[in-house]
Order: sequence, then structure tokens, then C-alpha cells
Amino acid sequence: DSGVTQTPKHLITATGQRVTLRCSPRSGDLSVYWYQQSLDQGLQFLIQYYNGEERAKGNILERFSAQQFPDLHSELNLSSLELGDSALYFCASSPQGAGGPTDTQYFGPGTRLTVL
Amino acid sequence: DQQVKQNSPSLSVQEGRISILNCDYTNSMFDYFLWYKKYPAEGPTFLISISSIKDKNEDGRFTVFLNKSAKHLSLHIVPSQPGDSAVYFCAASVRNRDDKIIFGKGTRLHILP
Repeated sequence: DSGVTQTPKHLITATGQRVTLRCSPRSGDLSVYWYQQSLDQGLQFLIQYYNGEERAKGNILERFSAQQFPDLHSELNLSSLELGDSALYFCASSPQGAGGPTDTQYFGPGTRLTVL
Repeated sequence: DQQVKQNSPSLSVQEGRISILNCDYTNSMFDYFLWYKKYPAEGPTFLISISSIKDKNEDGRFTVFLNKSAKHLSLHIVPSQPGDSAVYFCAASVRNRDDKIIFGKGTRLHILP
């Protein structure tokens, strides 16, 4: 158990819909990262938040957005869903994430999103 | 553009023998490399890392080798055990800029009895 929790575990929805994935980082970790893992793809970095502020952006679509709240939990919002958005979405957290010394990322168990 | 490449989707190794997982990268700015292990229905877990100032890092049965001139790294597991059967992701980042980690597609390791 990494200490990172993600809800829900599974989500099935229809095209055009909007969903919210939730992540609670390990206690004390300030950074949260979101990754997407599609079929036969590696983990694609989407976005990083550090202490409530966006810190780094990867291949995140404009239909997707995220935020980190004062209690440091994070939500990933996916809208106008398409079939190709079906994937595993992982959240990870790290103590600093401020671009400095080695800072291991701890991953949650993921949310499996199925768009029908 | 795949900056981190794991060209072997799967690998089978006899229990007790050495497992060697390979990874190539294209971005010469990468200065920190990691290996993550993933079991089904779980998130990836950090296994071992290496900074670009080193060419080898060892942690128990796991050793990572880095060849900067070839932009190649490898993970050696010896001896291989049944619990090592998992998907292994190679990853790289540019430290001190941000903590964006670029992952490869993974190699599925099967340890045979």
C-alpha cells in the first residue's frame, strides 16, 4: 500500500459525458501527478500540482483539467469524453516535487475509465 | 516521439537465472533514470534509480547500469524469483527543472519455474 488513494476504482460512462477522478496523496506529500495509461501505451504524464499550484504540464488534452485543493487532494476532470479516453488513470504523489533532490513518486492503484 | 524506449514487450526467464531488462532513451538532457515495477491491478512501485553522474547502482538483487554514450540503461535482477513476474517500466527525467517523468511502454517479465 503506497498510501495514495484513488476513487473510484472503476468508472463506466458514455461518450460526451464528464467525469471526475479523485486522488488523495500520501500524508505530508505536497505534489500530485496524474498519468494516463492506454492500451499498449506506457504511462503518459498529464499534469503535476505542487501545493495547490500547477507546476508541470504534459500531454493533457484541453478537454481535461485538474486542480489541487487546500487539503492537497486533487481531482482530474475529463469532459466531452471520447472512446479513446478509455484508459487507466494513475495519480502519484511525492514529498516535494519542487525540482530538486531525488524525490520518489508513489502511485495510487489507479482508476479504470471505460467510455462506451 | 518516444523519448524512452523499451523495445522488448515481454521477457521470460528461468527462476534463479539473471533477468536483464533494457531501455534506450533519446533525450540527452535526461539526468535521472528510474525503474518501476507494476503488478496487475496495482499502481507502479518505485524499484531503483540512478543519477547520470553514476554508471551503476545496486540494491540487493537489483542493479541498474547506465551507459550515457549509448543512451542505454539496463536493469539486472539476480537471482530471478517468481515474485519478480511483473511489468517493469523504465523512466527518465530532467532533475532540477521539474519532476516530469517520461515512462517507457514497459516490459512484461515472466519468471518460469
